[in-house]
Amino acid sequence: SQTIHQWPATLVQPVGSPLSLECTVEGTSNPNLYWYRQAAGRGLQLLFYSVGIGQISSEVPQNLSASRPQDRQFILSSKKLLLSDSGFYLCAWSVSDRDTGELFFGEGSRLTVL
Amino acid sequence: GQNIDQPTEMTATEGAIVQINCTYQTSGFNGLFWYQQHAGEAPTFLSYNVLDGLEEKGRFSSFLSRSKGYSYLLLKELQMKDSASYLCAVVDSNYQLIWGAGTKLIIKP
Repeated sequence: SQTIHQWPATLVQPVGSPLSLECTVEGTSNPNLYWYRQAAGRGLQLLFYSVGIGQISSEVPQNLSASRPQDRQFILSSKKLLLSDSGFYLCAWSVSDRDTGELFFGEGSRLTVL
Repeated sequence: GQNIDQPTEMTATEGAIVQINCTYQTSGFNGLFWYQQHAGEAPTFLSYNVLDGLEEKGRFSSFLSRSKGYSYLLLKELQMKDSASYLCAVVDSNYQLIWGAGTKLIIKP
């Protein structure tokens, strides 16, 4: 069966510090991978998605970046965090050959920037 | 612009029935998802509708009317564990998911 795991689950970082959130998927090959941010009272905001190794599409301009060094690994990074980066970050995957496929989410990472 | 509207919060009683509505205005339509999200957890899939009509899955049903840009999620025989947020999401013409802000459902004994 397929599983998705992201970490860390919770982190508190000072403004200007770097960030690295990691996500891995097991039990499937060549998944589509996504990073979402969820702010309180707002819908899920797509930050990045990837259809293959090294292929990253950015949906919103920001101080975040994403990388996909391996087929089933997706990393969200920042060199200098802003207060507005606080939120609940979700990694997700979907089957690559289905345009309207169901998303499977990781456990989420709650980031607080102080 | 693209817009998904759903009520912010609803309250219902254990054992009752509740209907959560979702209206959408999007550039094209390629399906609508409902997800359940418990506080502090990841969303989990509930249903997917692409054709008009009602899809029933146990205590949960989802309805779609494409001509009206409208869907609802119907929850029957409510249980305390159904207290969660319910997210509506539409697949647009570019096969991108557009998410609503979610409806927080509070179940009272």
